[in-house]
Amino acid sequence: EAGVTQFPSHSVIEKGQTVTLRCDPISGHDNLYWYRRVMGKEIKFLLHFVKESKQDESGMPNNRFLAERTGGTYSTLKVQPAELEDSGVYFCASSQEKGIQYFGAGTRLSVL
Amino acid sequence: AQKVTQAQTEISVVEKEDVTLDCVYETRDTTYYLFWYKQPPSGELVFLIRRNSFDEQNEISGRYSWNFQKSTSSFNFTITASQVVDSAVYFCALSEAQTGRRALTFGSGTRLQVQP
Repeated sequence: EAGVTQFPSHSVIEKGQTVTLRCDPISGHDNLYWYRRVMGKEIKFLLHFVKESKQDESGMPNNRFLAERTGGTYSTLKVQPAELEDSGVYFCASSQEKGIQYFGAGTRLSVL
Repeated sequence: AQKVTQAQTEISVVEKEDVTLDCVYETRDTTYYLFWYKQPPSGELVFLIRRNSFDEQNEISGRYSWNFQKSTSSFNFTITASQVVDSAVYFCALSEAQTGRRALTFGSGTRLQVQP
């Protein structure tokens, strides 16, 4: 069974540009989560989807971040416009109802 | 608010040594989950264990063991007879169990280096 996959593995962009990260959850997992780790700090929660609905977006830092999960399958996280402080590793995880969250390998975002 | 503290930033041991990774947590919830994840050099976070706050029994899985002590709000992780393949960053995490909120609160991680 395929795990959580994230694309791209690494993205380098300039400040002010737009970047879109993608996450494909484990098949059958209705719950999908986004987290990020910036500047070597703690991994921080961003938001949680249940199917296509945003269950909890309390961790989204500002309106430059837009997460979508059309059709309740894969999800995208768009950063527009990117700022220097957005650099870090963005993780996606998925789970069954009340289940364990399984993580992908992350997307390393570098904003120059 | 929830908080997880992993005071050990980096630990270096020689192969076959035992090593304990500390995790201390804070929460106002009466029911919660505790987790350990491993992040090898490849980058993905690998699930190791989930423990419900009602279950204070220690757990052993091969060379891994976990000591959950509610009285001291700690959930420590011990690797017995460490191996080079255990080298990784280890994260302790906490989540609510009673509400629908599933967000994990992570500690800052402990980097374990096992030298041959």
